[in-house]
Amino acid sequence: EMQLVESGGGLVQPGGSLRLSCAASGLTFSDHYMAWVRQPPGTGPEWVGRIRDKTKSSTTDYAASVKGRFTISRDDSGNSLYLHMSSLKTEDTAVYYCVRELRDNTGFYYFDKWGQGTLVTVSS
Amino acid sequence: DIQMTQSPSSLSASVGDSVTITCRASQGLTNRLTWFQQKPGKAPKSLIYAASSLQSGVPSRFSGSGSGTDFTLTISSLQPEDFATYYCQQYTAYPLNFGGGTKVELK
Repeated sequence: EMQLVESGGGLVQPGGSLRLSCAASGLTFSDHYMAWVRQPPGTGPEWVGRIRDKTKSSTTDYAASVKGRFTISRDDSGNSLYLHMSSLKTEDTAVYYCVRELRDNTGFYYFDKWGQGTLVTVSS
Repeated sequence: DIQMTQSPSSLSASVGDSVTITCRASQGLTNRLTWFQQKPGKAPKSLIYAASSLQSGVPSRFSGSGSGTDFTLTISSLQPEDFATYYCQQYTAYPLNFGGGTKVELK
């Protein structure tokens, strides 16, 4: 059975940094585009960014709200996805989800399976 | 940015009812729309992709339709486990935005 397990969340002060990890199992991790999606308390989900697979050179795209502060990376040999967050703001407080993406028949990628999430709280 | 507007924001229904949730995009998506279900404290679960394709394991009482800018999610016979919040999401252009959600509550 496929599993995505996030870790690394916690309390961090504004301006601080944090690295989230996502351990993948039950899938050929290297074949897949992966994404991070966050959900602030009491609101809907918000896309954070995407990393493509190695056939697309593991290139990344980010939401404007995190571009330049967050970096997504992957370790295909270790079946892991990472989110490096820096210059954190109070508005980055959210549950962060690791998400597998699949390709539809038009060649576009949609969110498929989600991890259970890890809570990041940015507060002084 | 493409704005996603869901309606209603909440609805009350009984077990066995048929319910329909609407999602409107500010620009055409062709059919690049997904629907998710989320229960309190849990991760979203994918129900439908490409507007009308049912994810593996999702009961057939869930169905999606639409193209362009107007989409619907229908639950044909509401079951107790279906009381949750539902989100639409477009994947045709960045940023990959979600709708505001529709909370389906027990009447």
